[in-house]
Amino acid sequence: QKEVEQNSGPLSVPEGAIASLNCTYSDRGSQSFFWYRQYSGKSPELIMSIYSNGDKEDGRFTAQLNKASQYVSLLIRDSQPSDSATYLCAVNPMDSSYKLIFGSGTRLLVRP
Amino acid sequence: ETGVTQSPTHLIKTRGQQVTLRCSSQSGHNTVSWYQQALGQGPQFIFQYYREEENGRGNFPPRFSGLQFPNYSSELNVNALELDDSALYLCASSLGKGQAETQYFGPGTRLLVL
Repeated sequence: QKEVEQNSGPLSVPEGAIASLNCTYSDRGSQSFFWYRQYSGKSPELIMSIYSNGDKEDGRFTAQLNKASQYVSLLIRDSQPSDSATYLCAVNPMDSSYKLIFGSGTRLLVRP
Repeated sequence: ETGVTQSPTHLIKTRGQQVTLRCSSQSGHNTVSWYQQALGQGPQFIFQYYREEENGRGNFPPRFSGLQFPNYSSELNVNALELDDSALYLCASSLGKGQAETQYFGPGTRLLVL
């Protein structure tokens, strides 16, 4: 089992729709969770961080964390073509707090 | 822009050669982490430096080594290059080494080994 799992996609949504990206992780003791966006040929850019169960909203983005289910999600409201990118979920494991473990990413395509 | 810079942006080497990649951390950040991202994969942790000392290491062989300097800039050295070392190498800086510290990535160095 991979430590951080994401559906590779592509996830295709029409412009203006809600895009829902999901991530599961195996280390139950993980405490910090991050979503990064990566455009083709570029480096990852931090979108959201979340540390507590529940929802955290920032503009059009909402991160959701459920530690009991070991599940993190990212919702993008009013999706725009400029949101088309790969979204990487990253987890900070409890026993090695110095590193981030990344999923392979979900490719999102927003159709005009 | 994160304020993290890396050089060079692109590099082509041949098998067996050695390479040095450089990273300048964001102002005020004393921790630098290095990651390798193969095509179609998420970044994989190589190692982290905190105040000039290695603070943790991932599953990479000893031919991957690093340094951090008093100004917190850092180098990644890879000896005896192999074809599989072709990847995007990312440097990330953070304010500290704690679990909740957010890591901000530089633009990366794309290495091609022929």
